[in-house]
Amino acid sequence: NAGVTQTPKFQVLKTGQSMTLQCAQDMNHEYMSWYRQDPGMGLRLIHYSVGAGITDQGEVPNGYNVSRSTTEDFPLRLLSAAPSQTSVYFCASSPQGNTEAFFGQGTRLTVV
Amino acid sequence: GEDVEQSLFLSVREGDSSVINCTYTDSSSTYLYWYKQEPGAGLQLLTYIFSNMDMKQDQRLTVLLNKKDKHLSLRIADTQTGDSAIYFCAETQEAGTALIFGKGTTLSVSS
Repeated sequence: NAGVTQTPKFQVLKTGQSMTLQCAQDMNHEYMSWYRQDPGMGLRLIHYSVGAGITDQGEVPNGYNVSRSTTEDFPLRLLSAAPSQTSVYFCASSPQGNTEAFFGQGTRLTVV
Repeated sequence: GEDVEQSLFLSVREGDSSVINCTYTDSSSTYLYWYKQEPGAGLQLLTYIFSNMDMKQDQRLTVLLNKKDKHLSLRIADTQTGDSAIYFCAETQEAGTALIFGKGTTLSVSS
């Protein structure tokens, strides 16, 4: 049972490049979310989804897009990377009504 | 808006008790969590408490909730070097929905 899998683990982008951070879960969880973690800032919610076909913005959505075409996958897209998006990104999933959110191992992104 | 505050650092000696404190502003918070993050790793749920509880104990961990003061604490008994990590307090109004995190408390345990 893999849990929540994020790829890649590390990525370096040039300013203006685009890329997609992948997140997949095999637990049939309805709820998935993306957070970014910056030093001294804790984790901040970027986007979340309460089920396939439904997404919504979190605290810091600007510069990011998401979609949820299947229950398993919740990719995060950076359309035009900026140095301010250098961060560690975490994907999480949880079943509705459950108390525990399961986190992936994170993607460390550097934008130069 | 919603806010969760924690002290940033705590240093203890091995064998002592550690107490990590957290305050939150949203009086409608229903679930309160403690997560642990070891270096280079994701977040691991340590324990959680419902807002209708005052205390929860789980082996070396004790969570105390003061709803009047909106104050949550995590006590780690007999702290070990393996407990060195960042500890995050988080809250949510509905289980399984978006978590609001504090900035994290870095616990350093010396032998």
